[in-house]
Amino acid sequence: AQSVTQPDIHITVSEGASLELRCNYSYGATPYLFWYVQSPGQGLQLLLKYFSGDTLVQGIKGFEAEFKRSQSSFNLRKPSVHWSDAAEYFCAVLTDSWGKLQFGAGTQVVVTP
Amino acid sequence: NAGVTQTPKFQVLKTGQSMTLQCAQDMNHEYMSWYRQDPGMGLRLIHYSVGAGITDQGEVPNGYNVSRSTTEDFPLRLLSAAPSQTSVYFCASRHGQRGVSYEQYFGPGTRLTVT
Repeated sequence: AQSVTQPDIHITVSEGASLELRCNYSYGATPYLFWYVQSPGQGLQLLLKYFSGDTLVQGIKGFEAEFKRSQSSFNLRKPSVHWSDAAEYFCAVLTDSWGKLQFGAGTQVVVTP
Repeated sequence: NAGVTQTPKFQVLKTGQSMTLQCAQDMNHEYMSWYRQDPGMGLRLIHYSVGAGITDQGEVPNGYNVSRSTTEDFPLRLLSAAPSQTSVYFCASRHGQRGVSYEQYFGPGTRLTVT
């Protein structure tokens, strides 16, 4: 069965510092992977996605993610975080052709001054 | 475009009461779905629909009913609310198999408390 693991429940980072959020997946075929962000009191917004091709994908708000098949990982990174990046981040894998998603448990990011 | 809209934003129910969470989208998306979000569990799929008149169960369907009479609307019904259904509910939509991006658009959520 497909699964997504986000090992870090909570991360605190200083404004201006770099951020990396981990995501590991379990999937039999080539996975379609997503990162979503949820700001407080809001719905989810797509940051980026990976389907195939270049394993380093760029997203919105200065985020990027790298797909590593050998490690079954799809980690999200940002070189310099802003206070507005405080949010919850979800990794997800596509589980069928109609677009059903299996989500990880999420990582809460707190940004300190 | 309003995108995906959900009503109400907040709701408090007593155990045993019934209610309907409304979801509508104006993007002519074929695929719509309902998720619930609980702390430490991410989002879990309740029910989904691949077009008007077609629905199916997701990961956690018990206690919920859906129907899809139009492309735009996908209401979620709680038949007899239980405290275990206290959660934040999100509706999402996307283009069907013709769509290549698989991007789902999420509504703002409904926060439901069952006492």
